Amino acid sequence: AQSVTQPDIHITVSEGASLELRCNYSYGATPYLFWYVQSPGQGLQLLLKYFSGDTLVQGIKGFEAEFKRSQSSFNLRKPSVHWSDAAEYFCAVGAQGSARQLTFGSGTQLTVLP
Amino acid sequence: EPEVTQTPSHQVTQMGQEVILRCVPISNHLYFYWYRQILGQKVEFLVSFYNNEISEKSEIFDDQFSVERPDGSNFTLKIRSTKLEDSAMYFCASRYESRDTQYFGPGTRLTVL
Repeated sequence: AQSVTQPDIHITVSEGASLELRCNYSYGATPYLFWYVQSPGQGLQLLLKYFSGDTLVQGIKGFEAEFKRSQSSFNLRKPSVHWSDAAEYFCAVGAQGSARQLTFGSGTQLTVLP
Repeated sequence: EPEVTQTPSHQVTQMGQEVILRCVPISNHLYFYWYRQILGQKVEFLVSFYNNEISEKSEIFDDQFSVERPDGSNFTLKIRSTKLEDSAMYFCASRYESRDTQYFGPGTRLTVL
């Protein structure tokens, strides 16, 4: 069965600093990988996704992620964090089969200091 | 931009009561999902629905749960007899085709007293 690990429960960065959120997955085949963001009281918004091809994917709000098969990782990065990026970030892997249900990590809560 | 909508935003019910959570997926999407997130925990898959039938379900989705697409636009999750541990945020999601992204609704917070 697939699984996703987000080792950092909570990360604090200063506004303008760079950010990297870690995600490791366990999956038997080429994974479909996603990063979603959840602001307080809100639903899940897709930041970016990887299905195949270029291992560096660009997303919305200036985020990018790099798929590294050898490390089973799909880390999320942003070169300069804005106060509005404070939220919870979830990494997810999509299952094989037509349903493609998502398995989520536990999430990383990002706090941005002024 | 089309979006998934869910009603109500918050539902409070007594233990043992039936609840129906409603979702309107994006109109041309073919795959529909329910997920839940217990407070402070990860988002968990409950069930997927395609071509008017359940395609996958998790071990959480027991006989107390059912899903329906009654009219071609709504997608509902029914919990027959709610338990305290059903208190959670329930998210609906939809997807157009196999390699597409799942789009999530804003969620319904269910509180069981």
